[in-house]
Amino acid sequence: DGGITQSPKYLFRKEGQNVTLSCEQNLNHDAMYWYRQDPGQGLRLIYYSQIVNDFQKGDIAEGYSVSREKKESFPLTVTSAQKNPTAFYLCASSNPRGGETSTDTQYFGPGTRLTVL
Amino acid sequence: KQEVTQIPAALSVPEGENLVLNCSFTDSAIYNLQWFRQDPGKGLTSLLLIQSSQREQTSGRLNASLDKSSGRSTLYIAASQPGDSATYLCAVKQSGTYKYIFGTGTRLKVLA
Repeated sequence: DGGITQSPKYLFRKEGQNVTLSCEQNLNHDAMYWYRQDPGQGLRLIYYSQIVNDFQKGDIAEGYSVSREKKESFPLTVTSAQKNPTAFYLCASSNPRGGETSTDTQYFGPGTRLTVL
Repeated sequence: KQEVTQIPAALSVPEGENLVLNCSFTDSAIYNLQWFRQDPGKGLTSLLLIQSSQREQTSGRLNASLDKSSGRSTLYIAASQPGDSATYLCAVKQSGTYKYIFGTGTRLKVLA
């Protein structure tokens, strides 16, 4: 089945610790995204990548880092510099250069809930 | 700066009622608009995507319309069912960018 997987589903971080959230897709999509969702707020863009080995900061990139070494993988590291990391993290992908049949629909993974202890 | 607003924030309706969810945006220079459904603690599921050149899209009991000039989109749900209970979000993609701007969502509860 094609789709996006995120792991782990739940993650607990101690103060001062870096943690990495995994995102993998087998949809052959070029673009991938990381969002943060807080209660009562919409999704806010952390980082996005249009193609392998390239990524751009979103609206709230401070305290986060990413890499895009493979088309199917876009891991997010939450560093100790992120002062309020407790949130629900969502990864998404789309295919903006899919030709005539591309609809540029965003597909989302199931999310990772990160809690700081 | 693009802002996306969804009103109301929450809505309760009896089963079988037809309902309309609203989404408004401040900048009409959009590439497309997408409606999503989110169940508690889950990821987002795409419902409908409307390209900027289109006026509406339909899928089963769902119909989404787009009026770019007035900065509005509506999601119409016919004959609502308890299984439709979820949060519905809209998102716009700005022309010339890869960024999507999301609204805060409408939390829908359909009562049996």
